[in-house]
Amino acid sequence: GNSVTQMEGPVTLSEEAFLTINCTYTATGYPSLFWYVQYPGEGLQLLLKATKADDKGSNKGFEATYRKETTSFHLEKGSVQVSDSAVYFCALSDLFWGDDKIIFGKGTRLHILP
Amino acid sequence: EAGVAQSPRYKIIEKRQSVAFWCNPISGHATLYWYQQILGQGPKLLIQFQNNGVVDDSQLPKDRFSAERLKGVDSTLKIQPAKLEDSAVYLCASTHEGQGGTQYFGPGTRLLVL
Repeated sequence: GNSVTQMEGPVTLSEEAFLTINCTYTATGYPSLFWYVQYPGEGLQLLLKATKADDKGSNKGFEATYRKETTSFHLEKGSVQVSDSAVYFCALSDLFWGDDKIIFGKGTRLHILP
Repeated sequence: EAGVAQSPRYKIIEKRQSVAFWCNPISGHATLYWYQQILGQGPKLLIQFQNNGVVDDSQLPKDRFSAERLKGVDSTLKIQPAKLEDSAVYLCASTHEGQGGTQYFGPGTRLLVL
């Protein structure tokens, strides 16, 4: 079955540091890949997505590239800010087979120190 | 555009009591989801509605959980009777066709069962 595995947290970085959160997936079809973010006290928000191999999703300085050969969708940001402190979820949806259900990873908590 | 609304935001009950959560999706969104998010884990789908019909309730513990979306708009999720392990955040999300798998989440209801 489909699944998502992401690096365990918490991840603690200083402001302006480079961020990578690893995510790998297993899917039987041709999934769309997502990163959702959950700020303290709020619901999940879509951060970025990619729908096919080699696509790059980007938003708010974050980027992730859909790598079919390594089944990965790692999240990166060149210079993090305190306001980026949140929980980040990697997720997939196998729309090719008409299944719009999203499967989430366990989440990675990110702490940014000023 | 108003987002997904949920109430209450917090609920504390004793085991064996009943509780109900309410969700109002984004206007025009035909598909509605209820998720359970246990602390430290990613959201797990409980039930998916398309208009007022159930698409998938395979992971809903039907001996104690029930959900309805009678008019194809608002939805209610009920737990009766609650167990300690039901302590979690209950998230509601909605989407409509053509969103490429993107779901829009409400702020969630945090349930504590004592």
